[in-house]
Amino acid sequence: GQNIDQPTEMTATEGAIVQINCTYQTSGFNGLFWYQQHAGEAPTFLSYNVLDGLEEKGRFSSFLSRSKGYSYLLLKELQMKDSASYLCAVKDSNYQLIWGAGTKLIIKP
Amino acid sequence: IAGITQAPTSQILAAGRRMTLRCTQDMRHNAMYWYRQDLGLGLRLIHYSNTAGTTGKGEVPDGYSVSRANTDDFPLTLASAVPSQTSVYFCASSDGLSGGYTFGSGTRLTVV
Repeated sequence: GQNIDQPTEMTATEGAIVQINCTYQTSGFNGLFWYQQHAGEAPTFLSYNVLDGLEEKGRFSSFLSRSKGYSYLLLKELQMKDSASYLCAVKDSNYQLIWGAGTKLIIKP
Repeated sequence: IAGITQAPTSQILAAGRRMTLRCTQDMRHNAMYWYRQDLGLGLRLIHYSNTAGTTGKGEVPDGYSVSRANTDDFPLTLASAVPSQTSVYFCASSDGLSGGYTFGSGTRLTVV
């Protein structure tokens, strides 16, 4: 079956760095996405990786290793507004997105 | 309209009633999707449509139906609502095989 694993919840301190891991087992691979979802709101796109390596976008970076079935989202200089759920999703061989259950990130002052 | 519009924003529905959740996009995306999101379970695909005139079943299609008469609209119908269909429903669209999804703001449905 297809499976995406990410931690249920993480806590970090304002101004610090946090890494949210995602491992996946899917039938085929056509890219990995990270989305941010604030409570009561819709998911919004953060990043897309299709090749191995690091993609940097401001305070957020995303890394992919296809051979290991592994990705992480790195958030730097954490701000209170970064408190949200972070969803990892993989496009499978049918180009359908398979979603992880999300990681709830709690930022403390 | 900018992006995806869902209606209603929230609804309380008596069990056994029929309900249609509306979804309209103005981005001319070919693919559209309906998800439900329940605490601890993440997003689960109900139905999808790769292009106007075609639809397909997702992970949890039972009790739901969809239609795609044109590119812009993708309504989701609950023929006879049950309490287990209480959830937040998100409509999404995508512009291509490698594209990400754009989501509507969601419909919070409570079946009592």
